Amino acid sequence: KQEVTQIPAALSVPEGENLVLNCSFTDSAIYNLQWFRQDPGKGLTSLLLIQSSQREQTSGRLNASLDKSSGRSTLYIAASQPGDSATYLCAASTDSWGKLQFGAGTQVVVTP
Amino acid sequence: NAGVTQTPKFQVLKTGQSMTLQCAQDMNHEYMSWYRQDPGMGLRLIHYSVGAGITDQGEVPNGYNVSRSTTEDFPLRLLSAAPSQTSVYFCASSRTTGEQYFGPGTRLTVT
Repeated sequence: KQEVTQIPAALSVPEGENLVLNCSFTDSAIYNLQWFRQDPGKGLTSLLLIQSSQREQTSGRLNASLDKSSGRSTLYIAASQPGDSATYLCAASTDSWGKLQFGAGTQVVVTP
Repeated sequence: NAGVTQTPKFQVLKTGQSMTLQCAQDMNHEYMSWYRQDPGMGLRLIHYSVGAGITDQGEVPNGYNVSRSTTEDFPLRLLSAAPSQTSVYFCASSRTTGEQYFGPGTRLTVT
């Protein structure tokens, strides 16, 4: 069974610093990997989707990399802002129809 | 587009009651799924559907039923609510191997 781990569970950085969030998975046979943001009491907002054939995806200040051979994905958020404070979840798709296996998330606080 | 919508937003049930959580999407996505989110357990897949008339079980299906009569709707039924089903329920939809879109969630408390 695919297992997805996110370390650390919580992270606090001063505004302006770059954020590096880690996601590891045990089975390299994934179809894609998706990063989400979740604000307290809210739903999940999709940030980036990386297909298994891709090495990275970028959107604005966000960049996500995927290394299937080592079972890792990393989300980089450049020049963090207090509005980036949220929980970030990664999820690996275990089949072509997109059944997701989620990590427990990293709770990020960006202090002004 | 409204995206993925869920109703109700909040619900309180007594043990043994039944209810249906509604989920609808207007993006013509083939794939729809239900997850529950619990503290310390993360999000876990309950049931999913790859198209109208086709459903299958996920990781934690016991106590839940689903059906999919149309592409747009994927309701989740709790047959006889138990306190262990207190959770936040999310519906999601996508195209094959595509980006998944989540609804705002339903917060369910079973007393």
